[in-house]
Amino acid sequence: GQNIDQPTEMTATEGAIVQINCTYQTSGFNGLFWYQQHAGEAPTFLSYNVLDGLEEKGRFSSFLSRSKGYSYLLLKELQMKDSASYLCATTDSWGKLQFGAGTQVVVTP
Amino acid sequence: DTEVTQTPKHLVMGMTNKKSLKCEQHMGHRAMYWYKQKAKKPPELMFVYSYEKLSINESVPSRFSPECPNSSLLNLHLHALQPEDSALYLCASSQQRFRGEQFFGPGTRLTVL
Repeated sequence: GQNIDQPTEMTATEGAIVQINCTYQTSGFNGLFWYQQHAGEAPTFLSYNVLDGLEEKGRFSSFLSRSKGYSYLLLKELQMKDSASYLCATTDSWGKLQFGAGTQVVVTP
Repeated sequence: DTEVTQTPKHLVMGMTNKKSLKCEQHMGHRAMYWYKQKAKKPPELMFVYSYEKLSINESVPSRFSPECPNSSLLNLHLHALQPEDSALYLCASSQQRFRGEQFFGPGTRLTVL
């Protein structure tokens, strides 16, 4: 099985940086995903890490340490539209995507 | 075309009704998925199809019946549902079952009366 932990909620001001941590325990790790989900909408893909290290994509970066079972998503230059739930998800050797409970990020003016 | 489409957007049905949810993608993806998502909870996997064959069924009750008529289409047939089945039903696809990001459709908001 898989056990994924991430904080429930984080609040930050516009223009700031926020780091969302995710720890996981999984049997048969095959990659870690971050998705963004606005209320009432479908999740949208942000990043995928399968090897250790940092992946940067514009204002969003994601880091993975497989030995520590740890990942983070870094959101820079926060904008109001970044207020959303951020879901950490791992895939196992069957390709099953298992989501964490999500971190609600609230961006304030 | 990098889109997964789902119809209908909203569905209200009684416990004795039979209805179907539809999902379509034209990205050439060979894996397709159904998820169920309750309010303020993460999506939960229901079914996985790989090359039009059912490869994973997460112990879903038989009142949910998936069907994959071809590589672009995925249906979810609903019959004798319960009010607790009310949720957002999400379809997703990926290149292969083992790799690549999953692209999600907008979902069908289902209400069972």
